[in-house]
Amino acid sequence: GDSVTQMEGPVTLSEEAFLTINCTYTATGYPSLFWYVQYPGEGLQLLLKATKADDKGSNKGFEATYRKETTSFHLEKGSVQVSDSAVYFCAPNTNAGKSTFGDGTTLTVKP
Amino acid sequence: DAGVIQSPRHEVTEMGQEVTLRCKPISGHDYLFWYRQTMMRGLELLIYFNNNVPIDDSGMPEDRFSAKMPNASFSTLKIQPSEPRDSAVYFCASSLGRGRGGYTFGSGTRLTVV
Repeated sequence: GDSVTQMEGPVTLSEEAFLTINCTYTATGYPSLFWYVQYPGEGLQLLLKATKADDKGSNKGFEATYRKETTSFHLEKGSVQVSDSAVYFCAPNTNAGKSTFGDGTTLTVKP
Repeated sequence: DAGVIQSPRHEVTEMGQEVTLRCKPISGHDYLFWYRQTMMRGLELLIYFNNNVPIDDSGMPEDRFSAKMPNASFSTLKIQPSEPRDSAVYFCASSLGRGRGGYTFGSGTRLTVV
């Protein structure tokens, strides 16, 4: 079956530091790839997506590139802010319509 | 659009009682998902529907759990009887066309069974 491996957290960074959260996956077919973010007390929100190889998804300064050869979709941001503190989930979506979610990586950004 | 609407936001109930969680998906979305989130097990898919028909309920933990989608704008998740280990945050999500555009999640129902 489909699976996702995310970088284990928690991750603690200082404001303006560079962020990378690794994500690799196994999936049947040609999945679309997503990152979701969950702020405390809220539901998950779609952060960015990519639908084919070499596509780069981006939103709010975050980026991730669809790497088909390495089955990876690593999340990056050049300069994190305190407001980026949240839990981040990687999720491939296969043709069956069902997304598989990673375990989530908790990011804390300190001023 | 108001997004995916879940009710109630919080529910506290006694062990053995029946609990019903409600979800209104985004209008026009044809897939609906129920998830449970706990610290120990993370985000678990319980069941999902396509065009109101249950497609995969293999994640439903046991017969005490049931879900229905009587029409395109409403779904329920029922637990009867409830147990303390059912305490979790339950999320509903909806998507259009196999979710290639991503899911929209509701704000969740925090269930506490005492």
